[in-house]
Amino acid sequence: SQTIHQWPATLVQPVGSPLSLECTVEGTSNPNLYWYRQAAGRGLQLLFYSVGIGQISSEVPQNLSASRPQDRQFILSSKKLLLSDSGFYLCAWEGLAGGEQFFGPGTRLTVL
Amino acid sequence: AQSVAQPEDQVNVAEGNPLTVKCTYSVSGNPYLFWYVQYPNRGLQFLLKYITGDNLVKGSYGFEAEFNKSQTSFHLKKPSALVSDSALYFCAVRDDSGAGSYQLTFGKGTKLSVIP
Repeated sequence: SQTIHQWPATLVQPVGSPLSLECTVEGTSNPNLYWYRQAAGRGLQLLFYSVGIGQISSEVPQNLSASRPQDRQFILSSKKLLLSDSGFYLCAWEGLAGGEQFFGPGTRLTVL
Repeated sequence: AQSVAQPEDQVNVAEGNPLTVKCTYSVSGNPYLFWYVQYPNRGLQFLLKYITGDNLVKGSYGFEAEFNKSQTSFHLKKPSALVSDSALYFCAVRDDSGAGSYQLTFGKGTKLSVIP
């Protein structure tokens, strides 16, 4: 069966510090991968998606970036965090185009 | 452009009563429709989907949803609510026409509270 992991689960970082969040998927190959941000426990904002290694599409211009160094690994990064980057970050994978997405447990990021 | 509306921020229902969480959508082509549930500080869990076929879709934990093309709705239902159903529910849509086909558009969520 397929599983998706995210770490860390929680993170508290000062403004201006770098960020690296990792997402890995097991039990599937060549998934589509997604990063979302959820603010205030409500709506989801799509940040990035990837259809293959090294292929990243950005949905919202911001100071975040994403990379996909391996087939089942998706990384969200920032060189300098802003207060507005605080939120709940969710990674998701999709096995078939048009199919459902499966979400990881999320990372709670607080920028102080 | 595709969009989803969940008109109710919160729904309260007594335990044992039927529940409905509403969702309407807008797409250019045919819709792929999904329902997810989120418990506090957790990721979203997939409940059910409509791609094609029977308008009544059955999913996990006794939930079902009815696709209504004329009303562009996909309401989530359950015959008898449990206290453990209390959570945040998201409706999502994808357009099969290829426009923005990688993007799953989510509603803002509806908080369901089941009162004992």
